Amino acid sequence: QKEVEQNSGPLSVPEGAIASLNCTYSDRGSQSFFWYRQYSGKSPELIMSIYSNGDKEDGRFTAQLNKASQYVSLLIRDSQPSDSATYLCAVTTNAGKSTFGDGTTLTVKP
Amino acid sequence: DVKVTQSSRYLVKRTGEKVFLECVQDMDHENMFWYRQDPGLGLRLIYFSYDVKMKEKGDIPEGYSVSREKKERFSLILESASTNQTSMYLCASSPPGGQNIQYFGAGTRLSVL
Repeated sequence: QKEVEQNSGPLSVPEGAIASLNCTYSDRGSQSFFWYRQYSGKSPELIMSIYSNGDKEDGRFTAQLNKASQYVSLLIRDSQPSDSATYLCAVTTNAGKSTFGDGTTLTVKP
Repeated sequence: DVKVTQSSRYLVKRTGEKVFLECVQDMDHENMFWYRQDPGLGLRLIYFSYDVKMKEKGDIPEGYSVSREKKERFSLILESASTNQTSMYLCASSPPGGQNIQYFGAGTRLSVL
């Protein structure tokens, strides 16, 4: 079992729809949770971080964390073609070491 | 803005060559990381460092070494490059404390022939 697993893609949604990306992790000692966006040929950039159970909203993005279920998700509302990218879930232990999922590729169709 | 600079965007080397990949960050971050990224395998941690002259093995350290003589610079060394080390290499840095947000360089695409 991989330490961080993301829902297999690719994921395709129409413009204006909600895109839902999911991630599960195996290390119960994980402390910090991140979503990075990576455009093709570019390096990852942080879009959301979440540290405690519940929801965290930032504009069109909402991260959800459930430590009991070892689950973290990212919702993108009103999806835009510019949101088309690969989204990486990252989980960090207290020691600061991060493990990344393989990524989910999202395509938003106009 | 945080800036993480990797010395080369593209690099082509021969099997058996010693290869140096350099990474410099300008935000006085304690933590620095080297990853490789391959299709279907995601981002995998090679080595990381929490301080000058300090290093820790990541998940796939075999065939690699690192050097951190100054806080801002973290070098990845391929002692004897092999074709299976052809990959995209990403350097990242993060500030101390519990947030663990990582800032990535642009990446070096290394081809070993």
